[in-house]
Amino acid sequence: ETGVTQSPTHLIKTRGQQVTLRCSSQSGHNTVSWYQQALGQGPQFIFQYYREEENGRGNFPPRFSGLQFPNYSSELNVNALELDDSALYLCASSLGGLAGGNNEQFFGPGTRLTVL
Amino acid sequence: ELKVEQNPLFLSMQEGKNYTIYCNYSTTSDRLYWYRQDPGKSLESLFVLLSNGAVKQEGRLMASLDTKARLSTLHITAAVHDLSATYFCAVDPNAGNNRKLIWGLGTSLAVNP
Repeated sequence: ETGVTQSPTHLIKTRGQQVTLRCSSQSGHNTVSWYQQALGQGPQFIFQYYREEENGRGNFPPRFSGLQFPNYSSELNVNALELDDSALYLCASSLGGLAGGNNEQFFGPGTRLTVL
Repeated sequence: ELKVEQNPLFLSMQEGKNYTIYCNYSTTSDRLYWYRQDPGKSLESLFVLLSNGAVKQEGRLMASLDTKARLSTLHITAAVHDLSATYFCAVDPNAGNNRKLIWGLGTSLAVNP
C-alpha cells in the first residue's frame, strides 16, 4: 500500500510569484484535503476535494486554488505569493468525503514553502 | 465558528509519570482525532474517536471522548522519552457535505529523564 506523497519537499519563492504543490493520495482513497501549518501552530484547513470536486473550503482567499485529477492526485496552486504564505503545506488523503467513512486522514510529509 | 482548545500547550514531565492532555471544542461533534507530530515532520494518526464514551488505547497512550461535555482527553501513562512530540486534537464538525477538520494549537510534550 503506497502512502501519501508530496512534491517538492522544499521550495523558495519570492513575493508575487506563483507556486504549484502536488500530492498523490494513498491507494484506495478518493478524498484529498490541503492544510497550511505555520510554525508553532495547528494546521489550518484550506480545502478538500472529493472525486474531482471541491467539497469544502476554509478561510483562504481565492488566490489559493486547487484541483483533483481522475486518479485522485491533487494540486494546490497559490498565486501572488505573500510573505505570510511561508508555511508547511500538508496534504491528507482519506476515504469517503460526502458520506460514510470515519474521515481519518493520512498525511503526506509536507512541502515547506518559504516566500522571500 | 467551531473552536478547539487544548491544554496545556506546553508540558514538561519526568519519565515514569502520568499526565493528561485536554481537548475542548465548542460545537456538537461526534468525531475527534488525535495526531502526533515530531519536529519538522508530518502528522501521524494516533486515535479516531467516533462516539460518546469511546475509549482507545495504544501502548502508553489512552484517548477518550465525552461528546456531552465536548471534551476529549489523552492520557499518558508512565511516560518515556520517545513520547516527546507535539500532540494535536482535531474535530470534524460534520457540517453537511463540508468535510474538514478543525485543529487545536497542539500540546508540546517534553519527557525528561
